[in-house]
Amino acid sequence: EPEVTQTPSHQVTQMGQEVILRCVPISNHLYFYWYRQILGQKVEFLVSFYNNEISEKSEIFDDQFSVERPDGSNFTLKIRSTKLEDSAMYFCASLRPGWNYEQYFGPGTRLTVT
Amino acid sequence: DAKTTQPPSMDCAEGRAANLPCNHSTISGNEYVYWYRQIHSQGPQYIIHGLKNNETNEMASLIITEDRKSSTLILPHATLRDTAVYYCIVGDDLKTGANNLFFGTGTRLTVIP
Repeated sequence: EPEVTQTPSHQVTQMGQEVILRCVPISNHLYFYWYRQILGQKVEFLVSFYNNEISEKSEIFDDQFSVERPDGSNFTLKIRSTKLEDSAMYFCASLRPGWNYEQYFGPGTRLTVT
Repeated sequence: DAKTTQPPSMDCAEGRAANLPCNHSTISGNEYVYWYRQIHSQGPQYIIHGLKNNETNEMASLIITEDRKSSTLILPHATLRDTAVYYCIVGDDLKTGANNLFFGTGTRLTVIP
């Protein structure tokens, strides 16, 4: 069965550094999403992406964050000037419209900001 | 913010049916009810969704009340691998939105041997 993959599985970075989290969505999917989950808290929507542009974004997704689909396969989340509170699990998801509205989630990237 | 209310935790004996309730009294006419689960710290996993009618797939059944203000997810024969946090989410379909999911705190289901 096709699956969403994410790299790296764990990223450690120092406060103030920039990180790029990478995702490879399922190949025939057209909607892409990023969510995050701070340890012990609920999963939070960050951003959705469709037709090469942001479809919707949450209040969390401020100027510190950006997303990109640099080629036909990768979908990236860039976090500039990381803060301690950015430490979380980041999940990528993708969806194929016209199918069954199922979002397929990746295994996540654990980001630790020290 | 999440528009659903779920009990924080439930137990179920292995092999028995697990019935997970969800209240969504403010649901609007074009909003679907989605169920996802998260096993430990893995990525959430889709289970089922519905609009008005009851739905069944290989994983579960979804019973939606006639007024659509509540629903129940049924796992017919719970196994230990079904131990997870179950999320009931109300959201748009792709015609009116990007199907963004707003998770609540869910119900932690523990299947007991």
